[in-house]
Amino acid sequence: SQELEQSPQSLIVQEGKNLTINCTSSKTLYGLYWYKQKYGEGLIFLMMLQKGGEEKSHEKITAKLDEKKQQSSLHITASQPSHAGIYLCGADRGTSGSRLTFGEGTQLTVNP
Amino acid sequence: SQTIHQWPATLVQPVGSPLSLECTVEGTSNPNLYWYRQAAGRGLQLLFYSVGIGQISSEVPQNLSASRPQDRQFILSSKKLLLSDSGFYLCAWSLQAGLEKLFFGSGTQLSVL
Repeated sequence: SQELEQSPQSLIVQEGKNLTINCTSSKTLYGLYWYKQKYGEGLIFLMMLQKGGEEKSHEKITAKLDEKKQQSSLHITASQPSHAGIYLCGADRGTSGSRLTFGEGTQLTVNP
Repeated sequence: SQTIHQWPATLVQPVGSPLSLECTVEGTSNPNLYWYRQAAGRGLQLLFYSVGIGQISSEVPQNLSASRPQDRQFILSSKKLLLSDSGFYLCAWSLQAGLEKLFFGSGTQLSVL
């Protein structure tokens, strides 16, 4: 079974709207990473969360890790076309080595 | 500053042909190196990781192999490609083991026909 579940799989919003992407793990998360990918390109690191209840922001993007460390949400405020892309969450297994497992990704489209 | 180079950007290969994808990292020493594959519309799957020269760990059994002949060079290979090897391949590096973020290359789109 998939270790990380992302929802929704795809999202289409109007420019200026807020949106939330969720990432749920079947296991305790030792580290949760959010990446953004433009189609056919490499991944760009957004944020890393480690502690339960932690929240981080970068420009208009905020990510939270819940207290039980099994779910994270990525929230974009006042979305822009530049936010469009695939958002992936990655989870550290807690063993030696940064061997992240990733969710299936959320395809975000922002219509002007 | 550190940079990661991956090439080629796109590759079209016939079934049964060999494969060699190369990845190099600059600006750091003794990085951890990784190969990921992303099938169309799917998440990333870790294929191989390396913590040092000549040290390769495979995450899933497959038709591919990896080598690390130099500290900052990571190569993904196959002797005979299968249709199922098609996908988007990403190389990545991290500073060390543990909770370190990954830095990704720009990827190689491989189509096996």
